[in-house]
Amino acid sequence: DIQMTQSPSTLSASVGDRVTITCRASQSFNTLLAWYQQKPGKAPKLLVYGASILDDGVPSRFSGSGSGTEFTLTISSLQPDDFATYYCKQYHSYPLSFGGGTKVEIK
Amino acid sequence: QVQLRESGSGLVKPSQTLSLSCAVSGGSISSGAYSWSWIRQPPGKGLEWIGSILHTGNTYYASSLRSRVTISGDWSKNQFSLTVNYVTAADSAVYYCARRPDYGGIDYWGQGTLVTVSS
Repeated sequence: DIQMTQSPSTLSASVGDRVTITCRASQSFNTLLAWYQQKPGKAPKLLVYGASILDDGVPSRFSGSGSGTEFTLTISSLQPDDFATYYCKQYHSYPLSFGGGTKVEIK
Repeated sequence: QVQLRESGSGLVKPSQTLSLSCAVSGGSISSGAYSWSWIRQPPGKGLEWIGSILHTGNTYYASSLRSRVTISGDWSKNQFSLTVNYVTAADSAVYYCARRPDYGGIDYWGQGTLVTVSS
């Protein structure tokens, strides 16, 4: 099974900051990784798939990169709407697996 | 517009069986381009993938839950279901059903349903 480890678990940042979240996989795979944003009481929302492809309607300040065992989600300029929890998920092989999540808080 | 809606028991006694269904509209679970999943989230915790069913009927489960979980599809009703046997308090969570295209991430989610395990 592939284990996904996200870091940091919590991140304090200000509006306008550049933010990077990292997801490390216990086994190497290509780019079958997605990133989701979740706000309290809501279902997650897809941001990125294929490690770097933005889903329709996702602002361009979000970007994803990586392959192998290390993947990153970057927010180039944090906006008030971006304070949320972010999860990575590998879909390279079953069983699928999520990272533990990164909560982005207001500094 | 694809919609998924979970339904089922919101309160389950310990050691009993949790049963949920997910009704899909605006798309067919028989489509070969998608898999259909159950995901859960205990209060205040992260997301946990439970398992998926494909249009072929093939199922895949999380290793930690495989012995207690069954996902099945009702193609005539365009819905899929989850059962979890021998539940404990650790199974209390919001349960989501979801659709994932073969090429990417989950694009449609249900609204989620809270299941509490308590006597």
